[in-house]
Amino acid sequence: KAGVTQTPRYLIKTRGQQVTLSCSPISGHRSVSWYQQTPGQGLQFLFEYFSETQRNKGNFPGRFSGRQFSNSRSEMNVSTLELGDSALYLCASSRGPTYGWAFGSGTRLTVV
Amino acid sequence: AQSVAQPEDQVNVAEGNPLTVKCTYSVSGNPYLFWYVQYPNRGLQFLLKYITGDNLVKGSYGFEAEFNKSQTSFHLKKPSALVSDSALYFCAVRAWTGGGADGLTFGKGTHLIIQP
Repeated sequence: KAGVTQTPRYLIKTRGQQVTLSCSPISGHRSVSWYQQTPGQGLQFLFEYFSETQRNKGNFPGRFSGRQFSNSRSEMNVSTLELGDSALYLCASSRGPTYGWAFGSGTRLTVV
Repeated sequence: AQSVAQPEDQVNVAEGNPLTVKCTYSVSGNPYLFWYVQYPNRGLQFLLKYITGDNLVKGSYGFEAEFNKSQTSFHLKKPSALVSDSALYFCAVRAWTGGGADGLTFGKGTHLIIQP
């Protein structure tokens, strides 16, 4: 059974640009969530989707957005990139709220 | 609001000795509690969870955790540490209320170092 797949693994962008990250959940998992991991702030919750609907959103500016497609695949977008957006972005999928979350290996975003 | 505290940035244990990684939480509503492990440049791997039922939860790689409601704690334990257990460990909580579940809130993480 394939795990959570995130693409690309590494990304370098220039300040002011926008970026789209992709996540394919484990087959059968309908919940997808996104997290930002930095050395200073640790792991912070970005948003969670279930059946194409955003269920929860963390405390991030509106430059961070996401969506989920009918096949449960998800994308997150960051517009007008700032240097502080450099981080490891992790996607996770789950069968439901009482199950554990399976995490992908992440996308390492570097903003220069 | 929900929060997780992992009071130790680093825990050092000799191989073969028991280990404990501490976690306390604060939530409104019933807590769902999780432990994850992260190896360098990798995503998080699920170790175990507490949803309801028996307070002692057994998980992957010989790890277990005890849910203590009165102390709002969920400490991770293993009877005999291995060098390969050296990694970064995260405790996480998710509150379940009548209106649904909140997103996962993670602790800052604890570096576990097992010395040969």
